[in-house]
Amino acid sequence: QKEVEQNSGPLSVPEGAIASLNCTYSDRGSQSFFWYRQYSGKSPELIMFIYSNGDKEDGRFTAQLNKASQYVSLLIRDSQPSDSATYLCAASQGGSEKLVFGKGTKLTVNP
Amino acid sequence: GAVVSQHPSRVICKSGTSVKIECRSLDFQATTMFWYRQFPKKSLMLMATSNEGSKATYEQGVEKDKFLINHASLTLSTLTVTSAHPEDSSFYICSAREALGRAAYNEQFFGPGTRLTVL
Repeated sequence: QKEVEQNSGPLSVPEGAIASLNCTYSDRGSQSFFWYRQYSGKSPELIMFIYSNGDKEDGRFTAQLNKASQYVSLLIRDSQPSDSATYLCAASQGGSEKLVFGKGTKLTVNP
Repeated sequence: GAVVSQHPSRVICKSGTSVKIECRSLDFQATTMFWYRQFPKKSLMLMATSNEGSKATYEQGVEKDKFLINHASLTLSTLTVTSAHPEDSSFYICSAREALGRAAYNEQFFGPGTRLTVL
């Protein structure tokens, strides 16, 4: 069973802090990894994807990938109340077009 | 770019009726579209994978005769919930994968979702 595991949270951080979201995956054949943000009652919105080991930065967001440890993370710098949402980690399924999603981590940024 | 639309955004119907949901990629061609269902406070559940011009591939436990999927073109897929019952009430979300460009990374773009309520 190919799985993506996330801490369900909730994760609560003060405004301006760094929020750190973590994810592990079981399928070593996974090639690419995605972070989606989902506001309550809305559909997921792609924030970032990463496929190489190391860090990838986009504005306040940094995705980190460690394939040896099968670990993906998302750092949100200078967290804002508008970042409060559920963050979904997803991994491509090796040999398939499908993505395997984690259950999501709910983030609350307190003003 | 990479915009996916869904219609309708919300539908309320009586038990026993059928409901059709449309998913369109507006500014790109989608070789593959995916249909998900999400219950309140739960994660996304993949229902089926739809490829243009071929039959959809359903996930285990999803009734293909109840959830009819048609991928008529590279920009349109439809999901029809047949003989809907209250337990089918859920948030249905489609996503699309580009035919070109970043398709190699399996990137999926989601539509805004359709909230179905069956009375």
